[in-house]
Amino acid sequence: DGGITQSPKYLFRKEGQNVTLSCEQNLNHDAMYWYRQDPGQGLRLIYYSQIVNDFQKGDIAEGYSVSREKKESFPLTVTSAQKNPTAFYLCASSIPGGTFQSSYNEQFFGPGTRLTVL
Amino acid sequence: AQTVTQSQPEMSVQEAETVTLSCTYDTSESDYYLFWYKQPPSRQMILVIRQEAYKQQNATENRFSVNFQKAAKSFSLKISDSQLGDAAMYFCASAGNTPLVFGKGTRLSVIA
Repeated sequence: DGGITQSPKYLFRKEGQNVTLSCEQNLNHDAMYWYRQDPGQGLRLIYYSQIVNDFQKGDIAEGYSVSREKKESFPLTVTSAQKNPTAFYLCASSIPGGTFQSSYNEQFFGPGTRLTVL
Repeated sequence: AQTVTQSQPEMSVQEAETVTLSCTYDTSESDYYLFWYKQPPSRQMILVIRQEAYKQQNATENRFSVNFQKAAKSFSLKISDSQLGDAAMYFCASAGNTPLVFGKGTRLSVIA
């Protein structure tokens, strides 16, 4: 079955530690995205990538880093510089179709990772 | 920059009745798409319906339909014959030459 997987489902981190959230897709999508969801805030874009070895900052990139070494994988690292990392993190992917027509296509979402800082 | 506003944090509807969720947006782009996503308690995001801004005809998907008013920059979602499984957070989103921008969501409760 094609889809997006995120692991782990729940993640606990001590203050001052970096942690990496996994996102893998087997949909053969070129574009991938990371969103953060907080209560009452909707989804906010952290980083996105339209092609391997290239990625762009979203609205709230500070304290986060990403890599895109493979088409299937787009891991997100939450660094110690992120002041309030406790949140629900969603990964998504889509088929691009032009300059930025990836945004015109349906984004498929993973099941999410709940990160809690202790 | 695009913005999306959902003015109803919570809504409720009786089972089998109809409910309309409101959404307004602002964009300077001439070509854009609008979406409604559903997030049930499982937190899995599911696309409900999408509308291309260049199309005048309102999109429909079974019990779900939209009222797209381009001049007013309004994009409401109507759910007909509401079912218990429709209970969820609903997010309106807009995409132009940038990734999706989401509203803050409307929590819909369905009363049996």
